[in-house]
Amino acid sequence: EVQLVESGGGLVQPGGSLRLSCAASGFTFSSYDMHWVRQGTGKSLEWVSVIGIAGDTYYPGSVEGRFTISRENGKNSLYLQVNSLRAGDTAVYYCARSPSGSYVFDIWGQGTTVTVSS
Amino acid sequence: QSVLTQPPSVSGAPGQRVTISCTGSSSNIGAGYDVHWYQQLPGTAPRLLIYDNRNRPSGVPERFSGSKSGTSASLAITGLQAEDEADYYCQSYDSNLSRVFGTGTKVTVL
Repeated sequence: EVQLVESGGGLVQPGGSLRLSCAASGFTFSSYDMHWVRQGTGKSLEWVSVIGIAGDTYYPGSVEGRFTISRENGKNSLYLQVNSLRAGDTAVYYCARSPSGSYVFDIWGQGTTVTVSS
Repeated sequence: QSVLTQPPSVSGAPGQRVTISCTGSSSNIGAGYDVHWYQQLPGTAPRLLIYDNRNRPSGVPERFSGSKSGTSASLAITGLQAEDEADYYCQSYDSNLSRVFGTGTKVTVL
């Protein structure tokens, strides 16, 4: 079964950091682009990063310089280092898969919750 | 920020047909980029419902269909069922903003 399982979320103070993880199984992880997408409570979805099969990374302006996406193909794992967290970063963070070069998210994890509050 | 606009809510009785619009611009849908649709049941993660404007992944019922024209796209649910009550999001690519999602539409089955 194709599966993505996130972990690492939690409560963090403004300015703090977290490292989110996503464990992939059931497919050839190294052959897919991988993303992080977040959703604030009652809000729409927001794409926050992508890492391609060659390791190239891209971010929207709202998180560039604060978030770092990485992957470890030998461990079938995706990561998101989130620094300088703000209240507006509070959300459920999903990892999602895309066929290489495609813009569609065909498989999603169940999400991990990040809460930024003092 | 959502650059694709959807109606906040639509509703219909069981068996009826409902449609959800997704309005973009010349930098995303109008530039020829494909539109994809996701269904999010309450308390769950999104799942891919329609890809590349009109294609259904394996396991998605035939009552879901998609179309695209100009700077807009639409999702239709024909023969609405109680289990279709969920939030629906369109998604595309924007030449300025990369991957972008719609504002989301809540479908209520009366």
